[in-house]
Amino acid sequence: EAGVVQSPRYKIIEKKQPVAFWCNPISGHNTLYWYLQNLGQGPELLIRYENEEAVDDSQLPKDRFSAERLKGVDSTLKIQPAELGDSAVYLCASSQNGGVTEAFFGQGTRLTVV
Amino acid sequence: GENVEQHPSTLSVQEGDSAVIKCTYSDSASNYFPWYKQELGKGPQLIIDIRSNVGEKKDQRIAVTLNKTAKHFSLHITETQPEDSAVYFCAANSGAGSYQLTFGKGTKLSVIP
Repeated sequence: EAGVVQSPRYKIIEKKQPVAFWCNPISGHNTLYWYLQNLGQGPELLIRYENEEAVDDSQLPKDRFSAERLKGVDSTLKIQPAELGDSAVYLCASSQNGGVTEAFFGQGTRLTVV
Repeated sequence: GENVEQHPSTLSVQEGDSAVIKCTYSDSASNYFPWYKQELGKGPQLIIDIRSNVGEKKDQRIAVTLNKTAKHFSLHITETQPEDSAVYFCAANSGAGSYQLTFGKGTKLSVIP
């Protein structure tokens, strides 16, 4: 069974440019998460989806960040415009419905803003 | 909101020795406590988890203990091996039944052959 797939693995962009990350969760997992991981820190939740509905986006900086999960499967996270402080690893995770269950993480996208 | 503190930030042990990592949490309503292992360049991988209705759980060389009264939980790795070297994160959910996890800052474990 394929795990959570993220692309690209690495991205280098200039500040003020837009960037997008893509995530394909594990088949059958209705819950999808985007996390931000700064160097030397634990992951921090940005947004959680239940199917196509964003049910927790309180930590998402909505002035520049947006996310979508149109068909309740794949998801994209976008930053526009990117700032130097956005350099981090962006992790996607998924889990099954039905309560608090194990979240499976992808390998992440390492973003460097120069 | 939930706050999770993790200690130590780095830990070096000789191969074959035990390693212990400790975490405290602030929200007494939290009821799910997973531990993740993250190797360089990879995403976190769940190694063990515990729910608030049990005090201890063991899986081969890995065990987790939970003290709800004191609001702390610990990871124990016995007979450490070089492949156990990684960064370990504890986490707690933000309230009973919550899906949101708050992570500690991580412990970098080095197992010296």
